Parts: sequence; C-alpha cells; structure tokens
Amino acid sequence: IQMTQSPSTLSASVGDRVTITCRASQSISSRLAWYQQTPGRAPKLLIYWASTLESGVPSRFSGSGSGTEFTLTISSLQPDDFAIYYCQQYQSPMYTFGQGTKLEI
Amino acid sequence: EVQLVESGGGLAQPGGSLRLSCVGSGFTFSSYSMNWVRQAPGKGLEWIAFIGSGGTTIHYADSVKGRFTISRDNAKNSLYLQLSSLREEDTAVYYCAGESTLSSPPDHWGQGTLVTVSS
Repeated sequence: IQMTQSPSTLSASVGDRVTITCRASQSISSRLAWYQQTPGRAPKLLIYWASTLESGVPSRFSGSGSGTEFTLTISSLQPDDFAIYYCQQYQSPMYTFGQGTKLEI
Repeated sequence: EVQLVESGGGLAQPGGSLRLSCVGSGFTFSSYSMNWVRQAPGKGLEWIAFIGSGGTTIHYADSVKGRFTISRDNAKNSLYLQLSSLREEDTAVYYCAGESTLSSPPDHWGQGTLVTVSS
C-alpha cells in the first residue's frame, strides 16, 4: 500500500490553521496514524485510528478521514509544531509511511 | 516510564553483517508487538520489520527480506535485528518501536542507533 502526502513542504506562521493530506493507494479503513518528528529525535505518535488523539497530545491537533483520504489539521500553530509530519498505514501487515510533510516557518 | 534503548550500530563494510539490539523497560515487553523502522540521512521513515508479541508472526519489507532477520527474547526484554549482506543504501538510523495495543500503530520508540555501511 502506497501512501502519498501533500504538500511536501508547507510554510506557515504561528497562529495559522494548516492541513496536511494523506492518500492511500487502496482502502485502509481507518487504520491511519500521524507522527511528528523534530530534528534528531524519534517520531512521536500524534493520532491513530485516523482521528483518535494520543494521550498528552494538544487538542489543536485533529485528524479525519477514512478509506483512502485523510487529513491532519493543526488549528493554531505553535512554535513547537514546526516539524516533519508523517502518515502511516497499519491496515497491511507491511506498514508504510508517507514521504513526510515539512512544516516550516 | 516506557523506555526502549537500541544499541549495536556502527560502521560496517558492504556485504558485511551487524546485529542490533533493543532493550525495553518500564512495561511488559512480552505483551508488545515490536517493529524496526529506519531513516536514511535526510530521508523519510521506512518500516522494515515486525514481530508479534510471541515471536511467531513476522513480516519484512521487500527491501530487506532475505537479508535481515528480526527476533526477540522476551525473557531478556530484548528485540534484535540481524543485518546481513549489507549495502550502502542500508545506511540509516534504526529505531525500534513498540505497539502497546493490539492492531494499533507503534506508540513507543527508542532513540535510534546509526548504521553506516561504507568501504
């Protein structure tokens, strides 16, 4: 299963609302996760089951979608949010990640 | 606190071998499915291997199938990845990542260990 994210790079400012899209090459139901990665650090799980917020993740993060189209929305960007975001499908036993979206100032 | 700590990375020659380890603490290791995920320098994340909690269910990405072997020792709270027939394109940071809930994505990650394949 191929995962395609858009855009590859997103420029925004503190306080902005941004949306990242992830498309699967076939239906993955709601088995979609979103991760955040900052330089030199391991990925951090933000959302799973397409829309369930991981414990401790701020409520400004939200996810939606099912089947083949998914979105990650950050309602009001904070300085710590400038990072790279990856979607990941876990429908297939062979997990696959999107190529990543770099969110920059 | 859940902790995963990888070790075993380093420099290897093309065609060579290396064994990575990941030790878990702060949780019941034997109940977690585990994965290895790698990230080449400046590139994205690539899932490469999965092993179920009991060690009998195993999956590999096509890019490493036949060359890498995932295994675990629940008595030692340890996960392993045997890397063989290494290629320069295997150069990456290798992360172990655990799944605390069945049929959910990896939610606990180690800090990673760097493998460099070069002559």
